[in-house]
Amino acid sequence: DAGVIQSPRHEVTEMGQEVTLRCKPISGHNSLFWYRQTMMRGLELLIYFNNNVPIDDSGMPEDRFSAKMPNASFSTLKIQPSEPRDSAVYFCASSLWGVNTEAFFGQGTRLTVV
Amino acid sequence: KQEVTQIPAALSVPEGENLVLNCSFTDSAIYNLQWFRQDPGKGLTSLLLIQSSQREQTSGRLNASLDKSSGRSTLYIAASQPGDSATYLCAVEGDTGKLIFGQGTTLQVKP
Repeated sequence: DAGVIQSPRHEVTEMGQEVTLRCKPISGHNSLFWYRQTMMRGLELLIYFNNNVPIDDSGMPEDRFSAKMPNASFSTLKIQPSEPRDSAVYFCASSLWGVNTEAFFGQGTRLTVV
Repeated sequence: KQEVTQIPAALSVPEGENLVLNCSFTDSAIYNLQWFRQDPGKGLTSLLLIQSSQREQTSGRLNASLDKSSGRSTLYIAASQPGDSATYLCAVEGDTGKLIFGQGTTLQVKP
């Protein structure tokens, strides 16, 4: 397996634009996590899914953020409209929930909103 | 609400030293604890996973211990090398699969 795949790796966008980040989890994994990492706040859990169902979205900062997982092999995180304070590295991770195995992370998407 | 704390935030040691990184968590009802490594500009790589019923796990020069009742874990690195320089993060998983991270310890091993 190629691991968790995120796209794009880098995104630069203007304030007010819509941004969509994409994630393909490891095949067979049933949990998917979206994290945001900044120097000030470290790694923050935004939302996670079990079996494609959102379990906890309490970390989603505002209504401007939304996440979907239409099937077991794909998830998106959308920001609309984007703001400069959304600039961060966004990570997707997947794991096999309930089997006590490691979580695997993608390489991240570095988002810059200007 | 689960909170994870890592001490120290940064550590600099000469090559060859043995060192200990600390992680504490407030809610002992965890499913497992994981230690990750993050290199600058990269994603996270899992190093060790300790199940809640275990006391320690070893991989090469790394040894992680877990004391669930006191809410503590340590990562011991033996004979440190410059290649060990990175940020080390611990994370606890609850029974719903939620993975909560500490702020990390940035390690620098000087040649």
